[in-house]
Amino acid sequence: KNQVEQSPQSLIILEGKNCTLQCNYTVSPFSNLRWYKQDTGRGPVSLTIMTFSENTKSNGRYTATLDADTKQSSLHITASQLSDSASYICVVRANNAGNMLTFGGGTRLMVKP
Amino acid sequence: DAGVIQSPRHEVTEMGQEVTLRCKPISGHDYLFWYRQTMMRGLELLIYFNNNVPIDDSGMPEDRFSAKMPNASFSTLKIQPSEPRDSAVYFCATGIAGGRYEQYFGPGTRLTVT
Repeated sequence: KNQVEQSPQSLIILEGKNCTLQCNYTVSPFSNLRWYKQDTGRGPVSLTIMTFSENTKSNGRYTATLDADTKQSSLHITASQLSDSASYICVVRANNAGNMLTFGGGTRLMVKP
Repeated sequence: DAGVIQSPRHEVTEMGQEVTLRCKPISGHDYLFWYRQTMMRGLELLIYFNNNVPIDDSGMPEDRFSAKMPNASFSTLKIQPSEPRDSAVYFCATGIAGGRYEQYFGPGTRLTVT
């Protein structure tokens, strides 16, 4: 069964600090992995999408890594800001899934001043 | 482009009432998805359409739920009769075939059934 597990479930950090969120998946055959940011009361917004051949991808202060061998991904946030407070959802698409996605449960990040 | 538009943004209704949620996709997108999000279960795919045709409705919880897409510009998700356990945020997302199969989410409808 295709699954995506994220850790930690929640995280509190101080403004300016860095943090790393983890994602493990068992989706097969793998097509791509994406990280979404979901602000409270809003829909998820895509941060990055990575395919099998991409190990690292950055979007501003967000850097995602992918290890397709171990089926792990991480999202690193540098110099956190209050606006980074949100849920971060790891989502994986299987190669035979058409447009269907497998969602992780998300990590709820709170950045405190 | 205004993005995916959903209405209403908030809906409070009594158990047993009919609820209709609406979605206007991004112009040119030929895939449309309905998701439900709760704290306990996260995001769950309910149903998705391709070119207005339902492709997979295996996520629809039961017969009380139905979805239609009469044209490329409009879709509805109906719950009849509604129950308190249907309380959740319902998202509509749209996308196009090929490439990385990106999906663009609407702002969601928060449904509360009392």
